[in-house]
Amino acid sequence: DAGVIQSPRHEVTEMGQEVTLRCKPISGHNSLFWYRQTMMRGLELLIYFNNNVPIDDSGMPEDRFSAKMPNASFSTLKIQPSEPRDSAVYFCASSLEAGSSYEQYFGPGTRLTVT
Amino acid sequence: AQSVSQHNHHVILSEAASLELGCNYSYGGTVNLFWYVQYPGQHLQLLLKYFSGDPLVKGIKGFEAEFIKSKFSFNLRKPSVQWSDTAEYFCAVTTYNTDKLIFGTGTRLQVFP
Repeated sequence: DAGVIQSPRHEVTEMGQEVTLRCKPISGHNSLFWYRQTMMRGLELLIYFNNNVPIDDSGMPEDRFSAKMPNASFSTLKIQPSEPRDSAVYFCASSLEAGSSYEQYFGPGTRLTVT
Repeated sequence: AQSVSQHNHHVILSEAASLELGCNYSYGGTVNLFWYVQYPGQHLQLLLKYFSGDPLVKGIKGFEAEFIKSKFSFNLRKPSVQWSDTAEYFCAVTTYNTDKLIFGTGTRLQVFP
């Protein structure tokens, strides 16, 4: 298996632009997680899905952020409009199920820079 | 709310030195504990995990961690580090009533030959 796939790997955009990050989970995994990593706040869970349904989005910083999972093999995280403070590495992870006993497998991340 | 503290932000060692990275969590109930590693330019990978049973857990690449419930700790150890262990190490916890992984802020380990 190719593992969790994220695209793009790097994104540089100007403030105010829309940014879309993409994730393909490992085939057969039913849960998908979006994380943000910054120097100041470390790794934070933004939102997670189970069977394509958003379960907990309490980590989404504000309404400018939205996430979708239209099917079992694809998810997007959108920021509109983007701001410089959104600059971070965004990781997607997937696991077999959403239970706390299941290992999460991480993708390579998308490094976002908003100027 | 649950939280995870990693006391060492940056550790510098020479090869063959012993390693211990601290991790403490704040939650009084049943926990699952994890150590993840992020090598330079790579994604996070699971080093080891504790769910129940023997509190001394062995992971990949010679790493081990000990769960001490009375101290709310899950410290990572390796008796002799190698240059290839240079990476960032994250402790994480989940609890029985949440599917969320709560991460510590990470410890950057640099090993010099």
